[in-house]
Amino acid sequence: GQNIDQPTEMTATEGAIVQINCTYQTSGFNGLFWYQQHAGEAPTFLSYNVLDGLEEKGRFSSFLSRSKGYSYLLLKELQMKDSASYLCALRGGADGLTFGKGTHLIIQP
Amino acid sequence: KAGVTQTPRYLIKTRGQQVTLSCSPISGHRSVSWYQQTPGQGLQFLFEYFSETQRNKGNFPGRFSGRQFSNSRSEMNVSTLELGDSALYLCASSESLSGNTIYFGEGSWLTVV
Repeated sequence: GQNIDQPTEMTATEGAIVQINCTYQTSGFNGLFWYQQHAGEAPTFLSYNVLDGLEEKGRFSSFLSRSKGYSYLLLKELQMKDSASYLCALRGGADGLTFGKGTHLIIQP
Repeated sequence: KAGVTQTPRYLIKTRGQQVTLSCSPISGHRSVSWYQQTPGQGLQFLFEYFSETQRNKGNFPGRFSGRQFSNSRSEMNVSTLELGDSALYLCASSESLSGNTIYFGEGSWLTVV
């Protein structure tokens, strides 16, 4: 099975940088996804990491370390609209996507 | 390019009834998967279809079933509804089973009373 841990809630300031961590225990996986979900809306794809290292996409970057069972999502130049839940998910073999419970990010002015 | 479309968006059913939810994937996407989202359990994988065949299945009872048609559109069915089935049901599509971008629809909000 797979077990994914994320902080439940984080608070950050508009214009700042925030790092959302995701740790996992699994016997194997193909890749790791990050999604953003605003309340009452569908999850929106942010990134997909297969290899170790940093993937940068505009204000959002995602990092994966398979050896450490660790990933993070880095959000720069925070905007109020970034207030949302951020979901870490593993793509396994036969289990579809396994999601963490998500991190609720609150952006303060 | 249209996104993943789910219908109906909202519905209320009574315990014991059954419900069918529909999903149209992004054009050209052949893999469709379904997820249940609740406040307590988060997002949980139900099943995945590709080329009209169920490829993967999550840990849900047999009351939950699905199918995929030749045009890649998919339906899921829940029979003998229970109060605990109240949830947001999300459909996701990708080009293939190993696709590295998976897009979600807006979901169907099911309330069982």
